[in-house]
Amino acid sequence: AQSVTQLDSQVPVFEEAPVELRCNYSSSVSVYLFWYVQYPNQGLQLLLKYLSGSTLVKGINGFEAEFNKSQTSFHLRKPSVHISDTAEYFCAVSAASEGQLTFGSGTQLTVLP
Amino acid sequence: EAQVTQNPRYLITVTGKKLTVTCSQNMNHEYMSWYRQDPGLGLRQIYYSMNVEVTDKGDVPEGYKVSRKEKRNFPLILESPSPNQTSLYFCASSARQGGHEQFFGPGTRLTVL
Repeated sequence: AQSVTQLDSQVPVFEEAPVELRCNYSSSVSVYLFWYVQYPNQGLQLLLKYLSGSTLVKGINGFEAEFNKSQTSFHLRKPSVHISDTAEYFCAVSAASEGQLTFGSGTQLTVLP
Repeated sequence: EAQVTQNPRYLITVTGKKLTVTCSQNMNHEYMSWYRQDPGLGLRQIYYSMNVEVTDKGDVPEGYKVSRKEKRNFPLILESPSPNQTSLYFCASSARQGGHEQFFGPGTRLTVL
């Protein structure tokens, strides 16, 4: 089975500052990794995913994440955040051979003016 | 428009009164799944289905039932709801299991009194 730990439940940051949201996973098999975003009162939408290949993955809205196999991490970064990035962010993992997607507990990103 | 729809969006009910939350997708996706979202716990998978007539338990299946008689529909059934099933529920679908993006419905907020 897989597990995901999001190390920060809340991250406040000022507008135009950089941000990193941390995610660590645990698995004994090859995995796929995802970041989803949930805006207030909405469902989740995919930001980016890592399946294989280049460890630096670029997603929508200027976000990127780096897969680090040795540290079992998949941290999400953005060099300059906007007010509109305020949302909850979820890291998720699935085993390459399975249908089950396991989510972390989420990180609330609040961008302050 | 490609989408996942859920009904109802809001529901208040009483303990023991059977209810069904419907989920439908128009993308011809094979894979469908139900999650519940609770504060501080992220999303936890209830049941998933990799194709018609194929369903499997997720992490928190107790107290829930599902069926997949048609590819587009994946209803969630609570035979005898209890207050600990008060939660925000999301249906999701993807082309297949594994590394494919999951598309989420808008959510159903259920309160069991």
